[in-house]
Order: sequence, then structure tokens, then C-alpha cells
Amino acid sequence: AQSVTQPDIHITVSEGASLELRCNYSYGATPYLFWYVQSPGQGLQLLLKYFSGDTLVQGIKGFEAEFKRSQSSFNLRKPSVHWSDAAEYFCAVARTGNQFYFGTGTSLTVIP
Amino acid sequence: KAGVTQTPRYLIKTRGQQVTLSCSPISGHRSVSWYQQTPGQGLQFLFEYFSETQRNKGNFPGRFSGRQFSNSRSEMNVSTLELGDSALYLCASSLEGYNQPQHFGDGTRLSIL
Repeated sequence: AQSVTQPDIHITVSEGASLELRCNYSYGATPYLFWYVQSPGQGLQLLLKYFSGDTLVQGIKGFEAEFKRSQSSFNLRKPSVHWSDAAEYFCAVARTGNQFYFGTGTSLTVIP
Repeated sequence: KAGVTQTPRYLIKTRGQQVTLSCSPISGHRSVSWYQQTPGQGLQFLFEYFSETQRNKGNFPGRFSGRQFSNSRSEMNVSTLELGDSALYLCASSLEGYNQPQHFGDGTRLSIL
């Protein structure tokens, strides 16, 4: 069965500090992986996606993610966090037929 | 290009009533998916429609149903509302292909009294 695990429910970082949000997936085939961000009262916005090729993918807002097949992970990183990055972050895996599986999310708080 | 539009944004109903939510996808997107989002549960997949056919279905009771029209607009219906149905309902559209990202609307906040 396909599943996505985000082990950290909530993370707090200081503005300017680096960030890493963890995501582990369980999927029998080559995964198609995504990270989304959700601000309060809004829908989800795509940050980045991985399909194949280079395992380090760049996204919007200065985010990047690294696919590690051996660890079944797709962790999201940002070198320097801004206060506006405070939001909920979701990792997702897609399978055929446009069915997406989302993790339960990681809530990010940024302190000045 | 306009994004995914969901109406209404907010809705208040009482137990036992029924409700219909609407979703207009991005132009050219024929796949529309619906999700229920509640605190602590994350996004739970309800169903996906493609070319007016339900292609995938999540693990929700039959009270939750949907349909898609020829212009790809989709509606979701919940009958005999329960308190536990209070949630943010999100609609997402995408191009065909499982490597296509889903584009989300801002959701409909449904509150059951």
C-alpha cells in the first residue's frame, strides 16, 4: 500500500535559520513526489516536484528537496527561513490515475 | 489563466441536511479530485473524476457523492450531514497523467451545527 509519512507534526525555527522537513514514502514503483504549502484559510500551493533524473530539485520561494531512494525519503530544505514561510507543509506521492496520497502535514512556526 | 474556483467559501448547515459544493477547474484540466481536510487527519481523498466518470474513490460512506459535467466542472454532495463532516473541502484539478501536479482551490469551509 502506498503511504506518506511526515514524522514531525510541528517545527519551530528562528528566522534566518536553515530548515529541513522530513518526508518518507512507501510505494512499490518509481514515485512521483511533490511538496505543497498551505497558508491559513487557503488551498495548497505546489512548491516543487520530482519525477526522475537529478535527485536534487529546486522549487519556488527558495525551497529545494532531495530524493533518496535508499532511504525512501524526499526531504524539503531551505537554507534561510523567512517569517513568511510560516505555514503547513504537505508531502505527497502520486500514482497512476491521478490519485495522490498526502502526508498529515508539518506545521512550521518561525520566530523572530 | 484563472485558478481553481470553489463556491461557496463558507457554509453553515445543521445535522441531517444535505449540501452541494461546486468546483470549477483550470481551463483545460479534465481531472478533478476532492479532499476532506480536518485537523490532525490531513487531507483525505474523497474521489476523482475524469471526463465525467468517477475514476478513483476514497474510503468514505455513500453519503458523499460527486459528479462532473461535460465542461469539467464538478460538484460534491453530502447528504444527511453529521457533526463529523465539519471540515475544509478542497478541490484540485490537473492535466491527465500521474506526473501532473494537482492545482488546488481555496476550499469550502463547511460547519455543521
